[in-house]
Amino acid sequence: GENVEQHPSTLSVQEGDSAVIKCTYSDSASNYFPWYKQELGKRPQLIIDIRSNVGEKKDQRIAVTLNKTAKHFSLHITETQPEDSAVYFCAASNTNQAGTALIFGKGTTLSVSS
Amino acid sequence: KAGVTQTPRYLIKTRGQQVTLSCSPISGHRSVSWYQQTPGQGLQFLFEYFSETQRNKGNFPGRFSGRQFSNSRSEMNVSTLELGDSALYLCASSLGGGGAPPLHFGNGTRLTVT
Repeated sequence: GENVEQHPSTLSVQEGDSAVIKCTYSDSASNYFPWYKQELGKRPQLIIDIRSNVGEKKDQRIAVTLNKTAKHFSLHITETQPEDSAVYFCAASNTNQAGTALIFGKGTTLSVSS
Repeated sequence: KAGVTQTPRYLIKTRGQQVTLSCSPISGHRSVSWYQQTPGQGLQFLFEYFSETQRNKGNFPGRFSGRQFSNSRSEMNVSTLELGDSALYLCASSLGGGGAPPLHFGNGTRLTVT
């Protein structure tokens, strides 16, 4: 089955710096790659997602890139702010299968200090 | 629209007991998925229901079961509770049709087994 690895597990940056979180997946049939942000004590919230027919997607300070050949995808946050501090999860799934199951990475704890 | 609603928010049970968790999806969403979140294992897929049918199941023992009702509300049951079942159980809903989700998560039920 699918396996998703996420690095780094913790990331500390200064406010205004950029942050990059990387994930690799194992199943070449995976075609949907969302990123979730989970603040302490709260539910995971979708911040951006990308499909396998797109190489890059951007939404304001957040961007995701996908390299299907290498089975890598990455989250890029520019101009980080203290409110970006949270745990970020990447996930992968094959939406051609009935009953899509998201397979998550173990998460990256991002700390942004001012 | 109201978000995904999970009840109860907190539960404390004793080993050997059973527990039932409830999830009401976003109005119009027909797919409900369940995930277990623990510090060590992250977010792990339990199962997914669509139109009262289980379409996909993760790698969990048979003590974990679920069902979905005609109004799309779902329940998850864990029998013969073990200490290791202590976790945050998250429910997520989506439209459930073809193509990519996205999944919208509820706030979860925090289960503590003593």
